[in-house]
Amino acid sequence: DAKTTQPNSMESNEEEPVHLPCNHSTISGTDYIHWYRQLPSQGPEYVIHGLTSNVNNRMASLAIAEDRKSSTLILHRATLRDAAVYYCILNTGNQFYFGTGTSLTVIP
Amino acid sequence: NAGVTQTPKFRVLKTGQSMTLLCAQDMNHEYMYWYRQDPGMGLRLIHYSVGEGTTAKGEVPDGYNVSRLKKQNFLLGLESAAPSQTSVYFCASSYGPEGRSKKLFFGSGTQLSVL
Repeated sequence: DAKTTQPNSMESNEEEPVHLPCNHSTISGTDYIHWYRQLPSQGPEYVIHGLTSNVNNRMASLAIAEDRKSSTLILHRATLRDAAVYYCILNTGNQFYFGTGTSLTVIP
Repeated sequence: NAGVTQTPKFRVLKTGQSMTLLCAQDMNHEYMYWYRQDPGMGLRLIHYSVGEGTTAKGEVPDGYNVSRLKKQNFLLGLESAAPSQTSVYFCASSYGPEGRSKKLFFGSGTQLSVL
C-alpha cells in the first residue's frame, strides 16, 4: 500500500499560488516529509522537506498539519517552468517511499 | 559539477541476457540508491547502500543484484533480464548523519527495454 496519497493531476494559472496536497496517515514520529519534482526525461529534483514545523525555501513552502497526517506544498507564484510531476515522499530511516505524484499543469 | 552520473542512458536487451548499470557520484555521499520507475507507479526502491561494502534490499529487489566496492560507485546487475524489468532506472545518492533526514540527488536515468 502506498504510504502517501496525492491527486493525480492539478491545474493552475500562471502567476497564481498553487497548493498541492498530500495525505500520509500512517506516518510515524521520526518520518520526514519530502517533496520532489520531476520534469520530463529527467530525474527527480529536491524541492523541500520537513519534520514537524512549516518550512520555507526559495522554491516553495511546506505546510505540515498539526497531527502530521497531511501536508501541503505551496508554490507561491506558478510559472510555466513549474509544470512537472510533484512527489510527496516519506523518509523512514534510510528509505524514501514515493507516492504516484501529482502532475501539475500551468496555464499561461 | 557532474553530480550523479548513470551509464548507459539507453539499452535494449533480449530476454535472458545480463547487463550492469553503473552509477557514479562525485559528492562523497555515503548513501546510494537504485530506483525503478514504471508508468503510474512512481519510483520504487530496488536496493540501497549506506556505505562502501554494504548493500540492503528495498521494496522490489527480486531479479537484481548490487555491489558497492568503491564509495563513489553503485552497480545494479540484471543476471537474466525479463520483460517485466523494462523500466526507467534512476540512481540517487545522499549524505547526512544518522537521525537527520537526507536530501536525495538523482541521476538522469537509464531507459531499459527487455524484448
